[in-house]
Amino acid sequence: GAVVSQHPSRVICKSGTSVKIECRSLDFQATTMFWYRQFPKQSLMLMATSNEGSKATYEQGVEKDKFLINHASLTLSTLTVTSAHPEDSSFYICSAIADADGPLGTEAFFGQGTRLTVV
Amino acid sequence: AQSVTQPDIHITVSEGASLELRCNYSYGATPYLFWYVQSPGQGLQLLLKYFSGDTLVQGIKGFEAEFKRSQSSFNLRKPSVHWSDAAEYFCAVGAASGGSYIPTFGRGTSLIVHP
Repeated sequence: GAVVSQHPSRVICKSGTSVKIECRSLDFQATTMFWYRQFPKQSLMLMATSNEGSKATYEQGVEKDKFLINHASLTLSTLTVTSAHPEDSSFYICSAIADADGPLGTEAFFGQGTRLTVV
Repeated sequence: AQSVTQPDIHITVSEGASLELRCNYSYGATPYLFWYVQSPGQGLQLLLKYFSGDTLVQGIKGFEAEFKRSQSSFNLRKPSVHWSDAAEYFCAVGAASGGSYIPTFGRGTSLIVHP
């Protein structure tokens, strides 16, 4: 299967600072990428959907100005948590989907996740 | 909008016993259905998926799932559980969106395996 690399896997930052998380599709071009947030012992909550070269579509209740998403190329999407606070501490996971008509079809491939701790 | 229900928060089985994890979905059209497994602190690994065709789907690690349209279910099964199967399992339904899809996840079922 295709590989999605997410970096960093863990990050600790001070309250008020910003943190950038990268999501890369290593061996395929991702037309669509998703960002999820997962609280302990809970499911993945979709935060936003991004398509290369266009603005991300945020789910209801997700602050656009706080969670900045950039999908500048077909292999890279970034999530920047701005002015992070302790309540932003969570596990963030990205996933990527290739061209639906391509050999990878419509399967979503997931990164390994980023554990963000804001102190 | 689509939704997924995993009614069991925890399932405990003995090693070697059979396993069935339940999943019910709500979606207006023919769904794309998935089962993922997540080990602690890790991302998700796809176990199997159903798009169309044969309703009994074989996946990796000896897992299978059966799509039952009449029951809106996509239960995951394994005939003999191994201790390494202990993990969090997520069922997901994908709603088609412009050539791709947006997956919606159930809350997950935690599998505990006793020796």
